Amino acid sequence: SQQGEEDPQALSIQEGENATMNCSYKTSINNLQWYRQNSGRGLVHLILIRSNEREKHSGRLRVTLDTSKKSSSLLITASRAADTASYFCATAAGVSGAQKLVFGQGTRLTINP
Amino acid sequence: GAVVSQHPSRVICKSGTSVKIECRSLDFQATTMFWYRQFPKQSLMLMATSNEGSKATYEQGVEKDKFLINHASLTLSTLTVTSAHPEDSSFYICSAVDALLGETQYFGPGTRLLVL
Repeated sequence: SQQGEEDPQALSIQEGENATMNCSYKTSINNLQWYRQNSGRGLVHLILIRSNEREKHSGRLRVTLDTSKKSSSLLITASRAADTASYFCATAAGVSGAQKLVFGQGTRLTINP
Repeated sequence: GAVVSQHPSRVICKSGTSVKIECRSLDFQATTMFWYRQFPKQSLMLMATSNEGSKATYEQGVEKDKFLINHASLTLSTLTVTSAHPEDSSFYICSAVDALLGETQYFGPGTRLLVL
């Protein structure tokens, strides 16, 4: 079942601005992952944050995790036209090893030049 | 590293025929692969978990006789859509987990199936 909810569902900003997307989930997790999907393509893994971590950075990406609120946010700084894509959060739970992912509904991000 | 391929990238078939989709991990071994389907403008829905050398585990509501999964080697899983119907038209995506690292799922580029 889908447990992730993302907001906004769609976001349109100007190039150079920062984009923030939020994800909420319902059950306990081992980790939360963010993926990007360009139209009609596969998913690209962006970042994984474990349940005992609060913040993680990767280049222009910043992810936060608040397990007390069961929420996460993805911040893309200094956006570029190439960042236009759909962004999904996915939660993993259960025993270690290969874990099933439950995906949120996604945020469609449009960067206007 | 961590590249997953899918073949074919798109397929059109007639109603009633069967279609096989391959998912390969190109530079790592994957004891576990996952199969998802995605409808337009929607999220990914997990269909089944494919484990090398054993039977696949299907999610609730997914017909195992309709969607046959075979994971015969550490680098290949196949999904066969049997007796396809127009409602099976969708985007099918696989992912693979590195047997050594075991955490991140690497996704294939997807296969777009259109059943006429």
